[in-house]
Amino acid sequence: NAGVTQTPKFQVLKTGQSMTLQCAQDMNHNSMYWYRQDPGMGLRLIYYSASEGTTDKGEVPNGYNVSRLNKREFSLRLESAAPSQTSVYFCASSEHLRGDYGYTFGSGTRLTVV
Amino acid sequence: AQSVTQPDIHITVSEGASLELRCNYSYGATPYLFWYVQSPGQGLQLLLKYFSGDTLVQGIKGFEAEFKRSQSSFNLRKPSVHWSDAAEYFCAVGMNYGGSQGNLIFGKGTKLSVKP
Repeated sequence: NAGVTQTPKFQVLKTGQSMTLQCAQDMNHNSMYWYRQDPGMGLRLIYYSASEGTTDKGEVPNGYNVSRLNKREFSLRLESAAPSQTSVYFCASSEHLRGDYGYTFGSGTRLTVV
Repeated sequence: AQSVTQPDIHITVSEGASLELRCNYSYGATPYLFWYVQSPGQGLQLLLKYFSGDTLVQGIKGFEAEFKRSQSSFNLRKPSVHWSDAAEYFCAVGMNYGGSQGNLIFGKGTKLSVKP
């Protein structure tokens, strides 16, 4: 019963490099989310996917792209990494977009851009 | 706009002492309310949630929270803190639609330190 699985757990990138953060959930949830967490800023929503085939921008989408590959998987891509994207990234999922069931979170990806 | 405020950035309590973490929200309709806990290096784990009904809700690890509509608050409490409770705690408000902040709005968190 894995829940939400994120890979990799740690990553160091050079400025300008690209990478994709992977997220998969096995709870048959419809909605998935990508957050970044920075000290003193709490959690900020980057992108979300209400259901398979749809994606929408969140609070801080600039510099990121997402793909909802299927119902299970939701990836986050940094096309040209910048030091400002150094952060901890969390993927989450929920049964549906209504906010009544809360989210299940992955354990995070710690990304450093040098 | 909807928002969640956790007024205390950092709280230190002695082991065995009682704990109250504050959370205030701004939301026009009846909210769904949550408390999450994040241990160092980990993801967020759901402690408890309020949907409707009894305003005092029980959660895991001995935590409880009380919804007070008149004060727009959902404070988290524990009668006796254990050293293992040291973590960061996030309050969140759930909406019934998506928006630029998604359907769950988080406070900025309160870091709890526990003195032996």
